[in-house]
Amino acid sequence: TQLLEQSPQFLSIQEGENLTVYCNSSSVFSSLQWYRQEPGEGPVLLVTVVTGGEVKKLKRLTFQFGDARKDSSLHITAAQPGDTGLYLCAGGGADGLTFGKGTHLIIQP
Amino acid sequence: DTGVSQNPRHKITKRGQNVTFRCDPISEHNRLYWYRQTLGQGPEFLTYFQNEAQLEKSRLLSDRFSAERPKGSFSTLEIQRTEQGDSAMYLCASSLGVGLSYEQYFGPGTRLTVT
Repeated sequence: TQLLEQSPQFLSIQEGENLTVYCNSSSVFSSLQWYRQEPGEGPVLLVTVVTGGEVKKLKRLTFQFGDARKDSSLHITAAQPGDTGLYLCAGGGADGLTFGKGTHLIIQP
Repeated sequence: DTGVSQNPRHKITKRGQNVTFRCDPISEHNRLYWYRQTLGQGPEFLTYFQNEAQLEKSRLLSDRFSAERPKGSFSTLEIQRTEQGDSAMYLCASSLGVGLSYEQYFGPGTRLTVT
């Protein structure tokens, strides 16, 4: 069974600060996806990383896939209240995704 | 461009009743997935379809659960004889299922509460 562990579980910071959240596994994944989910809604896909060592940027969000394709990180620069949400990483592919438990992020104005 | 839609958004039912949820995927997507998410957890995979064929079922999918995708378009998930432990958000996702396009796009979910 492939497991994904996300840390920290909860994070509350002030607007304008930077933060990094992590997604780790003992298994190799062919790809990892990051999603953001708001209460009562479905997850929204942010990015997919496929190649070991890959770095992708989405405005103030920077995603990195580990060289061994077992871990990933999400870095947010100058966090804004609109970044508040549950950030989920997911691995796997065609046969269904395995999700971590997520990082609950709160950005306080 | 419409995304994945799910109906109903909320369902409250009494223990022992049957419920059915519907998912309409993105129109050109041939793969459709069902997940369940409980409070404080990430989504857990239940089952998926390639067109109308159900290709995999998780051991989470007990005999009381059945999913169909009769014409390879929309899908239904039925839970018979609901139990309080079935209370959760039921999420549907779809993907193209070709090459690197296994990215899954989720609907808004159906929140089930069993009383």
